[in-house]
Amino acid sequence: GAVVSQHPSRVICKSGTSVKIECRSLDFQATTMFWYRQFPKQSLMLMATSNEGSKATYEQGVEKDKFLINHASLTLSTLTVTSAHPEDSSFYICSAGRQAGANVLTFGAGSRLTVL
Amino acid sequence: AQKVTQAQTEISVVEKEDVTLDCVYETRDTTYYLFWYKQPPSGELVFLIRRNSFDEQNEISGRYSWNFQKSTSSFNFTITASQVVDSAVYFCALSFFFSGAGSYQLTFGKGTKLSVIP
Repeated sequence: GAVVSQHPSRVICKSGTSVKIECRSLDFQATTMFWYRQFPKQSLMLMATSNEGSKATYEQGVEKDKFLINHASLTLSTLTVTSAHPEDSSFYICSAGRQAGANVLTFGAGSRLTVL
Repeated sequence: AQKVTQAQTEISVVEKEDVTLDCVYETRDTTYYLFWYKQPPSGELVFLIRRNSFDEQNEISGRYSWNFQKSTSSFNFTITASQVVDSAVYFCALSFFFSGAGSYQLTFGKGTKLSVIP
């Protein structure tokens, strides 16, 4: 079955630093990857859609310069939270589809970011 | 606009009771997909089921069953003889093709937290 690995699962950083979260599709090529953010006791909110080899498509209200997304290969997408602040603390989840237009997504286990 | 409503925020049941989680969706698309995901305390999303808009057959998988009714735009999920391990947050989601990104996207409901008490 399709497996998506997300790393790190937990990260604590100081305010002002940048944090990179990786999302890898282990046994399939993911043309499209999605990044979600989940606040405590809330639903998943789509942040951006990442297509391999092109710029990510950000949802309204998501700061592109704050949340840098790179989808350099068919198996790896990264989310970098730049100059993190406490309000960026959240649970970030990536998902990947096997092919363009795929409507069955596999989710990573999530990354819990805590900014002190 | 795509929207998923899970009106039940939290539900508590005693073990072995049956429980139904409600999901109502809104979409103008004629082709769409509906999903249920389970999110245990660990945080990982576990895929439970996908149903396309042209298949209204109900489905049963072990203790889980799903009732899809297009007439009421509902896709309800029933757990029979609930167990403590069923305790989790359950999300209903709607998949639609977003031309802006050239891919399908998922819109999630707010989730229903199910607590099964031993």
